[in-house]
Amino acid sequence: TQLLEQSPQFLSIQEGENLTVYCNSSSVFSSLQWYRQEPGEGPVLLVTVVTGGEVKKLKRLTFQFGDARKDSSLHITAAQPGDTGLYLCAGAKNQGGKLIFGQGTELSVKP
Amino acid sequence: EAQVTQNPRYLITVTGKKLTVTCSQNMNHEYMSWYRQDPGLGLRQIYYSMNVEVTDKGDVPEGYKVSRKEKRNFPLILESPSPNQTSLYFCASSQLDRGVAKNIQYFGAGTRLSVL
Repeated sequence: TQLLEQSPQFLSIQEGENLTVYCNSSSVFSSLQWYRQEPGEGPVLLVTVVTGGEVKKLKRLTFQFGDARKDSSLHITAAQPGDTGLYLCAGAKNQGGKLIFGQGTELSVKP
Repeated sequence: EAQVTQNPRYLITVTGKKLTVTCSQNMNHEYMSWYRQDPGLGLRQIYYSMNVEVTDKGDVPEGYKVSRKEKRNFPLILESPSPNQTSLYFCASSQLDRGVAKNIQYFGAGTRLSVL
């Protein structure tokens, strides 16, 4: 099983701070996605990156796919309490339907 | 409204009593998948289906069965549940991109299963 390692697993910060979450693997993926999950709900897709070196922005969230397509990062600028949740990365291969998820990063943003 | 519907949302059962968790999507998606979520382990794929009558094992298929007789439905069957199958289960669906599942576009709200 190919592994996706997320770090950190837990992050507690104050409102207004910046943070970065990392997603690393020894495997190459054809695409990598980030999801956000709130308690009692299913994950919600935030972004999909498919090209090595690709950078996508979603308001205060910046996602980057590594040049070698083995890793990705999620950077949040000026975090707000509404950003609190579980952030999951997942990778897909270029064939079939297997999607591998990381363990998740539990983010808590305190007012 | 586009959605993936799972039932039931909560289920408490006993070891060995067969159960089925239903999953239905209204978006005509070819791809459907089941995941279990356990603390510290993230989401682990149980089974997935690329189309009607086409199913494949994910990373943790032992103790589970699935079927895909219609495009919209993808039930998860536990023939003889055991306590280690106590978990939070998610059904998901997505469009394929040139025959490949690149992401999960929609997850269901989850089914919390306890096996005593």
